[in-house]
Amino acid sequence: GQQLNQSPQSMFIQEGEDVSMNCTSSSIFNTWLWYKQEPGEGPVLLIALYKAGELTSNGRLTAQFGITRKDSFLNISASIPSDVGIYFCAGLPSGTYKYIFGTGTRLKVLA
Amino acid sequence: GAVVSQHPSWVICKSGTSVKIECRSLDFQATTMFWYRQFPKQSLMLMATSNEGSKATYEQGVEKDKFLINHASLTLSTLTVTSAHPEDSSFYICSAREMRGGLNTEAFFGQGTRLTVV
Repeated sequence: GQQLNQSPQSMFIQEGEDVSMNCTSSSIFNTWLWYKQEPGEGPVLLIALYKAGELTSNGRLTAQFGITRKDSFLNISASIPSDVGIYFCAGLPSGTYKYIFGTGTRLKVLA
Repeated sequence: GAVVSQHPSWVICKSGTSVKIECRSLDFQATTMFWYRQFPKQSLMLMATSNEGSKATYEQGVEKDKFLINHASLTLSTLTVTSAHPEDSSFYICSAREMRGGLNTEAFFGQGTRLTVV
């Protein structure tokens, strides 16, 4: 099925560093969601975005709905070991009801 | 956020048998539920959309006779893998959305089911 372009694919960072990842699409989206998935578990919703330009925070996480409605960014500040996991973006194309998922960003934090 | 419960979390079955996976929305009514399959180190692949009281809509390439979906109530959808074979071994995840008057709503996921067919 259709997927979003998510980058980077993987990141190895030191504890305390900030992290940025993004998703881009060729079509306009109405909603962007960001999830974290740990091994053997289902994805857990982190942040939901509904309006172009919207900037929303959840603790150390901040996500933005791109002004063009074709991209979204997720930033994690001051990373800690428990931030390890796979982060997925999901977008809802205009006029549809099915979310499309990004390819995932695998994050590893070195203590 | 809303809670979606998926059961079982893992199952091992013999080749040729059928396996049923349940997905329940615990604190909201899910008019639409989605079933995904995830291979190791890959993203989620949508298999089908399950609408309460109607037939499921399957994605291209997904065999509807092999993956039976039932959404009999607003809080329960089931996926039955019929005549399972080793190649059906995978991580199956459901998600549920509360459709409110056409407004966009978040999708919440179950814990996933690890199916191993031996």
